[in-house]
Amino acid sequence: DIQMTQSPSSVSASVGDRVTITCQASQGISSWLAWYQQKPGKAPKLLIYAASSLQSGVPSRFSGSGSGTDFTLTISSLQPEDFATYYCQQANSFPITFGQGTRLEIK
Amino acid sequence: EVQLVESGGGLIQPGGSLRLSCAASGFTVSSNYMSWVRQAPGKGLEWVSVIYSGGSTYYADSVKGRFTISRDNSKNTLYLQMNSLRAEDTAVYYCARDSRGDPQRRGAFDIWGQGTMVTVSS
Repeated sequence: DIQMTQSPSSVSASVGDRVTITCQASQGISSWLAWYQQKPGKAPKLLIYAASSLQSGVPSRFSGSGSGTDFTLTISSLQPEDFATYYCQQANSFPITFGQGTRLEIK
Repeated sequence: EVQLVESGGGLIQPGGSLRLSCAASGFTVSSNYMSWVRQAPGKGLEWVSVIYSGGSTYYADSVKGRFTISRDNSKNTLYLQMNSLRAEDTAVYYCARDSRGDPQRRGAFDIWGQGTMVTVSS
């Protein structure tokens, strides 16, 4: 199985800050990577697919990069509605696996 | 409107069975890859199963032999039959459209239902 390791596990930041979350795959996954945002009691929401493509309707302050084993999600200027948990997910091979999540909290 | 609506969750004793449903609107289930993903209370996301548009199915090792994914094309509905349930199956179960069939989208789950809670306890 491909292990997905996110860092940090949690981060505190302020409105307007730039935040970067990283995701490392235990083996190469090309660009078969997606990023999701999840708020308490809600379903995950797709932000980024194919490592760097912005899902329709997602604000442009979200961006993704990387290929192979190392990936990043960047939020350029945090907004109040961005405080949530973020997950990466690989779909290169079965079983599909997710990172453990990064909780983004208000400082 | 494109949406998925799950139902069928509840409280079930260990060893019991439950069938979850996921009704789709705004798109055709049988033309897409569809997955189930679960989330135990306070935990992360775990992929459970997928059914391809061609009918092939795949499962996580943790549910293989106990869970069965299927669909009813006439009802545009996805199902997850869960047998021999265990306490560790307790979770919110989400259905999601799996974009694996679109090479540009690289297997992202682009549409999610609201989830249905399954509690396995005596």
